[in-house]
Amino acid sequence: GEDVEQSLFLSVREGDSSVINCTYTDSSSTYLYWYKQEPGAGLQLLTYIFSNMDMKQDQRLTVLLNKKDKHLSLRIADTQTGDSAIYFCAEINQAGTALIFGKGTTLSVSS
Amino acid sequence: DSGVTQTPKHLITATGQRVTLRCSPRSGDLSVYWYQQSLDQGLQFLIQYYNGEERAKGNILERFSAQQFPDLHSELNLSSLELGDSALYFCASSAPGTGHTEAFFGQGTRLTVV
Repeated sequence: GEDVEQSLFLSVREGDSSVINCTYTDSSSTYLYWYKQEPGAGLQLLTYIFSNMDMKQDQRLTVLLNKKDKHLSLRIADTQTGDSAIYFCAEINQAGTALIFGKGTTLSVSS
Repeated sequence: DSGVTQTPKHLITATGQRVTLRCSPRSGDLSVYWYQQSLDQGLQFLIQYYNGEERAKGNILERFSAQQFPDLHSELNLSSLELGDSALYFCASSAPGTGHTEAFFGQGTRLTVV
């Protein structure tokens, strides 16, 4: 079945780059997403990538997609303390009707 | 602020009870999605409505039901509540033709069953 896996924790220092990795199982996924959840807040869509792309850059965020390995990564350049949050990787299900989320990666940024 | 409003923000109720969670989508959005976020299951899709009609169903228990009203707000009804139903329930909405590529999530309703 469809499944999305992510590492649970990542700790970085302010100013460093953060790389959050994700693997997914459904090779037919047309879109892959990154969401951010801050404490007490809802899910915020950070970015998404279409499956025919290898890379997408949006300011400090870079998404890399390796379709062969079904691997997705999110790079945050110049990580700030305000980037501390839980980051969720998600793929769209085969029917295109729902998001399949990973368990989330907690990013902790120390100053 | 995503523009999606969920009420109440917090809800504490006893086992066996019934509650209703409400969601007001962004202006112009016709789709409403409900997700459950629990510690053990993570984020799971429950159900989708589009312009009043049920469009897709996920891992929604039979004790749970939802509807979308003519004014497009949606309600998620949870009945015969169990301790394991304690979770954060999210609603999301999207505009016609965008699907999840532009789905905006509300801040969630935290349900605690005691």
